[in-house]
Amino acid sequence: AQRVTQPEKLLSVFKGAPVELKCNYSYSGSPELFWYVQYSRQRLQLLLRHISRESIKGFTADLNKGETSFHLKKPFAQEEDSAMYYCALSEGTNAGKSTFGDGTTLTVKP
Amino acid sequence: KAGVTQTPRYLIKTRGQQVTLSCSPISGHRSVSWYQQTPGQGLQFLFEYFSETQRNKGNFPGRFSGRQFSNSRSEMNVSTLELGDSALYLCASSGDGTYNEQFFGPGTRLTVL
Repeated sequence: AQRVTQPEKLLSVFKGAPVELKCNYSYSGSPELFWYVQYSRQRLQLLLRHISRESIKGFTADLNKGETSFHLKKPFAQEEDSAMYYCALSEGTNAGKSTFGDGTTLTVKP
Repeated sequence: KAGVTQTPRYLIKTRGQQVTLSCSPISGHRSVSWYQQTPGQGLQFLFEYFSETQRNKGNFPGRFSGRQFSNSRSEMNVSTLELGDSALYLCASSGDGTYNEQFFGPGTRLTVL
């Protein structure tokens, strides 16, 4: 069975500092990985997915199949990045059945 | 496009009762998924419906069931409620094709007393 692990429940950095949110997964097949974000009082929304290899709001994530990781990175954190971040894995191309990590709450201090 | 809507937003029930939650997906989306979110267990997949058929199912007891109508609206039902069913229930819809993201609704907060 697939599993997603986000080892940090809470992460706090200062504005302008680099930030890395860790995500490790276990899955025997070829996974599709996603990062979702939930800002205060807003609904859960997609931040980025590994297949598109894009940078959203300055965030990037690289799939490392050897280390089974999909860490989310941003070189210079902003206060508006403060939110809850979830890493998710889906089997194949159907995102309708996704396994989520427990989430990491990121706080960016001024 | 209007987003995913869920009704009701809040519900209070007592143990043993049953409850029905509703989800209206984004227009044109045929896939609707349901998740349970709790502080202790995080986000857990319940089931996914596509074109009125259950396409995937998570590891939840048979008390949790769902259905999807021809207009893609979906309902989930929980029978014989237990205290542990208190949670935020999220619905998400996605379009056809590959690598489609899920769009989440605001959730229904269920409290079982």
